Amino acid sequence: NAGVTQTPKFRILKIGQSMTLQCTQDMNHNYMYWYRQDPGMGLKLIYYSVGAGITDKGEVPNGYNVSRSTTEDFPLRLELAAPSQTSVYFCASRDPGPNNQPQHFGDGTRLSIL
Amino acid sequence: AQKVTQAQTEISVVEKEDVTLDCVYETRDTTYYLFWYKQPPSGELVFLIRRNSFDEQNEISGRYSWNFQKSTSSFNFTITASQVVDSAVYFCALSNSGGYQKVTFGTGTKLQVIP
Repeated sequence: NAGVTQTPKFRILKIGQSMTLQCTQDMNHNYMYWYRQDPGMGLKLIYYSVGAGITDKGEVPNGYNVSRSTTEDFPLRLELAAPSQTSVYFCASRDPGPNNQPQHFGDGTRLSIL
Repeated sequence: AQKVTQAQTEISVVEKEDVTLDCVYETRDTTYYLFWYKQPPSGELVFLIRRNSFDEQNEISGRYSWNFQKSTSSFNFTITASQVVDSAVYFCALSNSGGYQKVTFGTGTKLQVIP
């Protein structure tokens, strides 16, 4: 059971560089999410998707982009990395069934912008 | 707007002590869900429990128990006879009832269990 897989686990970027954080899930979940976790803080929602081809902004979308071409994959792209984007990024997925099933989280990507 | 407050930033207890982690929430929804997640030092987020707003029964799972009180908008988490492996950051979260499940997380409580 792979669940939600995020790559890479760690990355250091220079200011202005771009990169894509990968997220894939094998549970056939329609709903997927990207969060960032800053030190000592909870998780803030960046973007979410309710199915292939459908994405929408969360609380803190500025500086990020997403796409959802398949049910399995939900990559997060940083176009011009800034120090404020130094954070731990979590991808999650959820079964859209009844009773608000819990989100399943990946292990996170620790990103540093220098 | 939804809000989750975990006023305890850090707690330290000696092994075998009981400890309660507080969670207070705000929402205008009549149907909502509450969650607790554990984040051990390794960093992953582990789901512990889900409770819907219509079920105020307390729940016990081994050494863990949860007390949900709508009257005080609280969903507190108690660990009985704490162990070193319980050392982690614990997050309380609140979700609305439909759609994409907007989840609001508290800022977390870091629990350190000292041997």
